Amino acid sequence: DIQMTQSPSSLSASVGDRVSITCRANQSINTYLNWYQQKPRKAPKLLIYVASSLQSGVPSRFSGSGSGTDFTLTISSLQPEDFATYYCQQSYNTVFSFGPGTKVEIK
Amino acid sequence: QVQLVQSGAEVKKPGASVKVSCKASGYTFSDYYLHWVRQAPGQGLEWMGWISPNIGGTKYGQKFQDRVTMTRDTSISTAYMELSSLRSDDTAVYYCARLSNPYAFDIWGQGTMVTVSP
Repeated sequence: DIQMTQSPSSLSASVGDRVSITCRANQSINTYLNWYQQKPRKAPKLLIYVASSLQSGVPSRFSGSGSGTDFTLTISSLQPEDFATYYCQQSYNTVFSFGPGTKVEIK
Repeated sequence: QVQLVQSGAEVKKPGASVKVSCKASGYTFSDYYLHWVRQAPGQGLEWMGWISPNIGGTKYGQKFQDRVTMTRDTSISTAYMELSSLRSDDTAVYYCARLSNPYAFDIWGQGTMVTVSP
């Protein structure tokens, strides 16, 4: 099975900061990598699919990049509503998996 | 609107089984695979498996292979996830999620809390 890792596991940032989260797969997954945002007691929300495509309705301050094994989610200017936990997820084969998550907290 | 609505919270004893439902509306049920994902309290997301509503084919994660069964009833646009031999570490929120094209979970159910406690 494909294992996903994320770094950092948590970060503290201020409103307006540029924030980047890294996700790594233990084998190539082409661009079959998605990013989700989850707030407490809510279902996850799709932000980015196939590594770099912005889901409809998601603000353009969110962007994704990468291919193969290394991927990045970037928030260009952090807003108060962006404080949440972010997960990457691979859909390369029939067995899917998530990264462990990155919690973005207020500094 | 497109949505997935799950059944309500459950409390079960260790060793029992639980069956969670996920009713789809606003789209053609058989056109999209449905996946199940769980989240233990304070923990991350854990993928469990999927079902093809069209033909009923399934794929389960290795961790759950011996204990999970995913089924569907196309006449009522509903998918089910049954987990047997429950343990305390199965206490979690269970989500169903629709797999869009290309291969991302675009619609999620609201989650069903399953508590396993003596």
